[in-house]
Amino acid sequence: DQQVKQNSPSLSVQEGRISILNCDYTNSMFDYFLWYKKYPAEGPTFLISISSIKDKNEDGRFTVFLNKSAKHLSLHIVPSQPGDSAVYFCAASEAAGNKLTFGGGTRVLVKP
Amino acid sequence: DAGVTQSPTHLIKTRGQQVTLRCSPKSGHDTVSWYQQALGQGPQFIFQYYEEEERQRGNFPDRFSGHQFPNYSSELNVNALLLGDSALYLCASSSRDHYGYTFGSGTRLTVV
Repeated sequence: DQQVKQNSPSLSVQEGRISILNCDYTNSMFDYFLWYKKYPAEGPTFLISISSIKDKNEDGRFTVFLNKSAKHLSLHIVPSQPGDSAVYFCAASEAAGNKLTFGGGTRVLVKP
Repeated sequence: DAGVTQSPTHLIKTRGQQVTLRCSPKSGHDTVSWYQQALGQGPQFIFQYYEEEERQRGNFPDRFSGHQFPNYSSELNVNALLLGDSALYLCASSSRDHYGYTFGSGTRLTVV
């Protein structure tokens, strides 16, 4: 029972263009969503988050969109840079302090 | 300010053996969670400790146990190791009632 899914295992994009990563969830109790970035041999690092009461949150080049009715969120990276090449995980939580449920990840490759 | 520290970095064990992994949380954090990340998958929640007690547990057998010490550091113990226990084990710390988690770089466990 996979409650958080990232259906695209990989994504290749040209430097300067937009990267769009998608995430779907099934648990309607999730009220907070996070994106983490992971380089090899390192732990996941927090990127951006969004509360279920919002539909958009922006931080520099990163914007997360939430569509609660569709149980779908997306991460936009504009413009994409070679240093953005990493694995990106979508995660969700039912409440503050609760466990995170992760998707399977999307590997992003930004080509110079 | 030190982040989350995990030890050891890498470990090789034989089937049937027992292993102990260690984690020191980020300064100011009082909650420690453990995750298992198999190759090509997202992190899976094992359990969470707060005030030296297990507060939440994921779908892992009793062979997986833990402990939290008064200084908030934590241990993850796995008994009767199986080949399938080979994975990256991540420790994440947070403050109670907050959504943000800081992850360590993980311990890579290989069971042969």
